[in-house]
Amino acid sequence: NAGVTQTPKFRVLKTGQSMTLLCAQDMNHEYMYWYRQDPGMGLRLIHYSVGEGTTAKGEVPDGYNVSRLKKQNFLLGLESAAPSQTSVYFCASSYGGDNTEAFFGQGTRLTVV
Amino acid sequence: QQQVKQSPQSLIVQKGGISIINCAYENTAFDYFPWYQQFPGKGPALLIAIRPDVSEKKEGRFTISFNKSAKQFSLHIMDSQPGDSATYFCAASSFGNEKLTFGTGTRLTIIP
Repeated sequence: NAGVTQTPKFRVLKTGQSMTLLCAQDMNHEYMYWYRQDPGMGLRLIHYSVGEGTTAKGEVPDGYNVSRLKKQNFLLGLESAAPSQTSVYFCASSYGGDNTEAFFGQGTRLTVV
Repeated sequence: QQQVKQSPQSLIVQKGGISIINCAYENTAFDYFPWYQQFPGKGPALLIAIRPDVSEKKEGRFTISFNKSAKQFSLHIMDSQPGDSATYFCAASSFGNEKLTFGTGTRLTIIP
């Protein structure tokens, strides 16, 4: 039982390059989330999804896009990377409703130079 | 606009002592208050959670105290151990809007 799996684990991008972060969960969760973690700022929600085919903006959505074509996958895209997007990105999933425990992946450390 | 304020930013406690981390929230619609524990290089994991119908919840050495009128809740770690050294995040959410809003985190170090 893998839980929440993120790929890649590390990545270095040049300013202006694009990339996609993949999140996969095998718990049949409805809700999926992308957070970024920066020192002193905690975890900030970028985008989230309440079910297959749905997406919504979180607290810091600018510069990112997401897609949830399959229930088990949630993709985070950076179209034109900027140094301000250097961060550790975490994907999480939950059942939603009254069961709100979120399960997190191991994170992706992204550096934009 | 920070809806969940957490303090302190860092905390050093001697082994066997009590570690206390505090959080305050603004949104009165919040009705679920979890604490997450994160070790270096890992994702956060749920440690303990409380809903506002009780003022305290205890699981082993970990206790959440909740004060609804003050809009505050805290994590107490009794008999703190070196293995408790980690970053702790408080969070909050409301039913029907299950996005977790996190505090800024507390780096806890337990020294021998």
